[in-house]
Amino acid sequence: EAGVAQSPRYKIIEKRQSVAFWCNPISGHATLYWYQQILGQGPKLLIQFQNNGVVDDSQLPKDRFSAERLKGVDSTLKIQPAKLEDSAVYLCASSQQGLAADTQYFGPGTRLTVL
Amino acid sequence: AQSVSQHNHHVILSEAASLELGCNYSYGGTVNLFWYVQYPGQHLQLLLKYFSGDPLVKGIKGFEAEFIKSKFSFNLRKPSVQWSDTAEYFCAVNASGAGSYQLTFGKGTKLSVIP
Repeated sequence: EAGVAQSPRYKIIEKRQSVAFWCNPISGHATLYWYQQILGQGPKLLIQFQNNGVVDDSQLPKDRFSAERLKGVDSTLKIQPAKLEDSAVYLCASSQQGLAADTQYFGPGTRLTVL
Repeated sequence: AQSVSQHNHHVILSEAASLELGCNYSYGGTVNLFWYVQYPGQHLQLLLKYFSGDPLVKGIKGFEAEFIKSKFSFNLRKPSVQWSDTAEYFCAVNASGAGSYQLTFGKGTKLSVIP
């Protein structure tokens, strides 16, 4: 079974530039998550999709971050404009149904450096 | 909102030593508890989880964790560690909510096992 795919693996940009990350979840998984992991911290949920609808985006900084999952499969997360404090690893995860006890399967992450 | 506290930032053990990593959470309602592990250069992956039933949960690679509701704890244990257990370990909790089972992670504990 193929895992969660993410690209790019690394990205370096200057502040005020924009950047986009892509995620392809495990086939058949209805729920997709984007997390931000700052160095020395645990992952923090940014947004959760159930199929192509948003379930929870309460921790997404909506003035600069946006995400979509138009066809209910893959997803993109965009930051525009980036700030220095956005430097982090952005993790995508998926689960079968989004139930509380479901296992979330994580991708390798995209390491973003904002200069 | 729930929160998770992991007591140790970095633990160093010799091979064959016993391991116990502390995890405490704050939330007054029903919770599901998880331990995730990230081996060097690899994705976050599930080690074990508790969602109901026997509070002593067994996971992969000889790990186990005990849910003690009265202490709001879910400590991870292994009787004899190996060099291959060198990794970062994250405790996580979620609670039932209105459609979102937001997973909250602790800051992680880095385990270094010396051969």
